[in-house]
Amino acid sequence: AQSVTQPDIHITVSEGASLELRCNYSYGATPYLFWYVQSPGQGLQLLLKYFSGDTLVQGIKGFEAEFKRSQSSFNLRKPSVHWSDAAEYFCAVAPGDTGNQFYFGTGTSLTVIP
Amino acid sequence: EAGVTQFPSHSVIEKGQTVTLRCDPISGHDNLYWYRRVMGKEIKFLLHFVKESKQDESGMPNNRFLAERTGGTYSTLKVQPAELEDSGVYFCASSQLTYEQYFGPGTRLTVT
Repeated sequence: AQSVTQPDIHITVSEGASLELRCNYSYGATPYLFWYVQSPGQGLQLLLKYFSGDTLVQGIKGFEAEFKRSQSSFNLRKPSVHWSDAAEYFCAVAPGDTGNQFYFGTGTSLTVIP
Repeated sequence: EAGVTQFPSHSVIEKGQTVTLRCDPISGHDNLYWYRRVMGKEIKFLLHFVKESKQDESGMPNNRFLAERTGGTYSTLKVQPAELEDSGVYFCASSQLTYEQYFGPGTRLTVT
């Protein structure tokens, strides 16, 4: 079955520290990959996406993600976290061959401490 | 440009009652999607409209859920009668291009 795994339910980091949020997926082919962020009271905002090409993609707010085909992973990174990054982060996959629906992970809640 | 809007932001109803959620997509977006997140679980696809037609409703949990999209503009999702397990956050998204989905803030539904 198709699935997206975000193994970390909750992460706490200090402001200024680096961040890596993990995402693994299980699909036969290379799907389209996304990271979304949801701040309190807000909708899901697209941080970045990967369709093809360079496996390191840059997004908004200083985030980047690396697609690793051999590991079926698409981990999100940021070198220096800001207090405003506290939010919930969702990895999503669109298989492409089964319609336009997205499959999401369970989300990772990020707390940033001063 | 206005984003995807959803109404209400929060609804509390009793089991057995009816609730209607509304989504207004970004103007000009032909594709409209409904998703649901049950607490602690992943966000799950419910259905997809292309204009006023249901393209894919494979994620609709049962026949207590009815989605409509009038004239290819806004969409409503009705739950009748509501059950406790229907509680969660209902997200709407719209897109013009495939895989460029823009999400609304969600409607938090609580069934007591």
